Amino acid sequence: DGGITQSPKYLFRKEGQNVTLSCEQNLNHDAMYWYRQDPGQGLRLIYYSQIVNDFQKGDIAEGYSVSREKKESFPLTVTSAQKNPTAFYLCATIGQGLSGANVLTFGAGSRLTVL
Amino acid sequence: AQRVTQPEKLLSVFKGAPVELKCNYSYSGSPELFWYVQYSRQRLQLLLRHISRESIKGFTADLNKGETSFHLKKPFAQEEDSAMYYCALSLGGFQKLVFGTGTRLLVSP
Repeated sequence: DGGITQSPKYLFRKEGQNVTLSCEQNLNHDAMYWYRQDPGQGLRLIYYSQIVNDFQKGDIAEGYSVSREKKESFPLTVTSAQKNPTAFYLCATIGQGLSGANVLTFGAGSRLTVL
Repeated sequence: AQRVTQPEKLLSVFKGAPVELKCNYSYSGSPELFWYVQYSRQRLQLLLRHISRESIKGFTADLNKGETSFHLKKPFAQEEDSAMYYCALSLGGFQKLVFGTGTRLLVSP
């Protein structure tokens, strides 16, 4: 499964509800990221975490929250404050690739649809 | 501000034709650039990175600092190359990657 597991794959939510997307990794990578993928807009960074108990806002953090209580886990909560939450959400980690380069490894994604 | 520009949303070519997916970046520091690819129903994955100067699946990309470009090229496109391609700029270390908006490559028989 590539070492990164995202769940659920598909999620439907009513307006006004919070929803939490799970991201678990067994790669022993320190840094974890949440991106949002929309057609024509590419990938936009929501939040990232470089170490346990620390995280930083990305470019579009409003309406989202995260936690990093364990190295392996970086859940993303989409709150009711997020105005346009319907999207494909990607979790990723960075570890040391070949030749010393830092390479992003992605999960399979979670598709959230707000009804 | 750091930015990655992919001017083409869609690039459609015939099998066997040359392909060039354009990527330009703006960054005042020393850039680290990548190409990521997403095939249908598969995860987004690394295709190649400029520091390794490698050729993957026949694709190459050369960093041109003068033109601030990192175009992806392949001399003879194959149908299996049809996918979404993203250019990305790393600020180094564990810092975030900045992605372009992506180019969909469609290779027709």
